[in-house]
Amino acid sequence: DTEVTQTPKHLVMGMTNKKSLKCEQHMGHRAMYWYKQKAKKPPELMFVYSYEKLSINESVPSRFSPECPNSSLLNLHLHALQPEDSALYLCASSPLLVSKNIQYFGAGTRLSVL
Amino acid sequence: AQKVTQAQTEISVVEKEDVTLDCVYETRDTTYYLFWYKQPPSGELVFLIRRNSFDEQNEISGRYSWNFQKSTSSFNFTITASQVVDSAVYFCALSAYLSINAGNMLTFGGGTRLMVKP
Repeated sequence: DTEVTQTPKHLVMGMTNKKSLKCEQHMGHRAMYWYKQKAKKPPELMFVYSYEKLSINESVPSRFSPECPNSSLLNLHLHALQPEDSALYLCASSPLLVSKNIQYFGAGTRLSVL
Repeated sequence: AQKVTQAQTEISVVEKEDVTLDCVYETRDTTYYLFWYKQPPSGELVFLIRRNSFDEQNEISGRYSWNFQKSTSSFNFTITASQVVDSAVYFCALSAYLSINAGNMLTFGGGTRLMVKP
């Protein structure tokens, strides 16, 4: 099973709202990732968590706040977003072993900020 | 710095034609990994293949085949007898291994949109 589950699939929010994206995997992977993908562009890395600790933050604005409550769950908390933050948000997970470093992706959350 | 270039932004073929998607990469690392992912309209990135820098053996999986040439820094992907279901965006990616505790970072190419017409 190589499934990464993301909820919700679609989200529409206003600029003053607070919402959260959720990602779950049960493959025992100890690395989890958030990516942002704009239309007709490749995914861009936002955050990397390893062993439930933030290891990489690619200079993402503070209106995006990641959280990794346990080894299976990854959240992305959204607050005061801008219309330009509308995108597909992808979650991925991978083992930390170099020999098995394949990232498996979820289907994403399509976010629209009005 | 790492870079992945997919020069073909869009390719259109008729069903049953063979098609090759090009990928050229740049890295200063001696150990690295190359990947291909497929992204259908549903949005999910589907893993297709991983190749490490020490293994230049070509690989075939059904109608898919990959040609890794370190001398030209290329990792091309060929679909034989294409089908409508192959229509998707295909991404080539390069992985930099950071450390055992930091995971790995994927550098993606710009993607190639493949349209297979019946």
